[in-house]
Amino acid sequence: DAEITQSPRHKITETGRQVTLACHQTWNHNNMFWYRQDLGHGLRLIHYSYGVQDTNKGEVSDGYSVSRSNTEDLPLTLESAASSQTSVYFCASSEAGEFHEQFFGPGTRLTVL
Amino acid sequence: AQSVTQLDSQVPVFEEAPVELRCNYSSSVSVYLFWYVQYPNQGLQLLLKYLSGSTLVKGINGFEAEFNKSQTSFHLRKPSVHISDTAEYFCAVSETGGSNYKLTFGKGTLLTVNP
Repeated sequence: DAEITQSPRHKITETGRQVTLACHQTWNHNNMFWYRQDLGHGLRLIHYSYGVQDTNKGEVSDGYSVSRSNTEDLPLTLESAASSQTSVYFCASSEAGEFHEQFFGPGTRLTVL
Repeated sequence: AQSVTQLDSQVPVFEEAPVELRCNYSSSVSVYLFWYVQYPNQGLQLLLKYLSGSTLVKGINGFEAEFNKSQTSFHLRKPSVHISDTAEYFCAVSETGGSNYKLTFGKGTLLTVNP
């Protein structure tokens, strides 16, 4: 069955370190998204991509970057981790064209000490 | 730009009681509307969506929602809840047409069903 996976599921890191969170989908979807979920804020969009080599900033992109070298993967990099980036991160994907639902991964819980 | 307001951050109910989770949105253009559910320690999954047509939308697990354009609302209802419905529920909106596939989410409503 097609799916969307995230790794690691849990990560503890230190302030200032570079961290990369992986997202891999086997749906062959063109669209991929990264969100962060924080208590009291719901889900906020960090970056998104509508195809290979396409990346766009979302609502809360400062301190994060993404790259899209193939259809299946959209890794999220925290350039220099900060305590404010402690959060749960979700990756999602959807088909292009007529609006299709977004399918979500299981999430990565990141703690920055 | 769009925004979504979920009017209740927490809703406690007893098992077999009816429930309504409220959602209002703001947008300068036509929108698609969604409800997602998040069970503990899991990702989000789609409950139901309104794209066009009938304003009453039925989803999975016995949930339904009604789109009210004049009230800019999309409230979620279930006539009789189960313990297993305990979860966080998110309302989301997206612009229609074009190639904008982004979702804007509300802050979520935690539904707790008590025995």
